Amino acid sequence: KNQVEQSPQSLIILEGKNCTLQCNYTVSPFSNLRWYKQDTGRGPVSLTIMTFSENTKSNGRYTATLDADTKQSSLHITASQLSDSASYICVVSASGGSYIPTFGRGTSLIVHP
Amino acid sequence: NAGVTQTPKFRVLKTGQSMTLLCAQDMNHEYMYWYRQDPGMGLRLIHYSVGEGTTAKGEVPDGYNVSRLKKQNFLLGLESAAPSQTSVYFCASRSLSGELFFGEGSRLTVL
Repeated sequence: KNQVEQSPQSLIILEGKNCTLQCNYTVSPFSNLRWYKQDTGRGPVSLTIMTFSENTKSNGRYTATLDADTKQSSLHITASQLSDSASYICVVSASGGSYIPTFGRGTSLIVHP
Repeated sequence: NAGVTQTPKFRVLKTGQSMTLLCAQDMNHEYMYWYRQDPGMGLRLIHYSVGEGTTAKGEVPDGYNVSRLKKQNFLLGLESAAPSQTSVYFCASRSLSGELFFGEGSRLTVL
C-alpha cells in the first residue's frame, strides 16, 4: 500500500529561525513529490515539485530535497517569517497512469514573534 | 482568473437532511477530486472523476454521491447527512503536470 509519513506532526519556532520538515514515502513506481502549503482556513497551494532526477530545488526561502534511494524528502525553511505559519503537506504521485496522489497528514508549523 | 470555486463556503444541516456542494473550475482540467479534511487525519479522498461523465470511489465514499455532467463542474451530494460527516470539504482539479489546484473549502456542520 502506498504511504506517506511526515514528521514532526507539529513544530513551533521563533521568527527568523530555520527549520526542516521531513517526508518518507513508499509510493511505487515513483513519479514526483510535491510540497503544498495550507494556510489556516484556505486550500493547499503547491510550493515545489521534485522528480526522480532532481535532488534539490529552491523556491525563495523554501528548499526541498529528494533522496530517491532512501525515499525521503525534506523541506527546509530559512529565516522563518510569521507568514510561514501553516500546515505543510507532502504529496507523492505514482507513474503508470495512476490518477490518485498519496497525501501525508501534514506538519503544522507555528512561527512565534 | 477564478481557478477552483466551491459553493457554499459554510453550511449547517440537521441529521437526515440532504445537500449538494458545487465545485467549478475554469482551467479545462480533466481530473477533479473531492476530499474531506478532519483534525489529525489529513486530506482523505471521497470520490474523483477523470473526465466528463465519469466518477469513481475514493478512500471514504460511503454516504456521498457525485456527478460530473459538465467538464467544469463536479458535484458532491449528501443524501442523508450524519454528524460523522461534519468536516471541511475540499475540491481540487489536476493539471497535465499533476499539480493539484484546490478550492477554498466548504465547512459543513451536521447537528
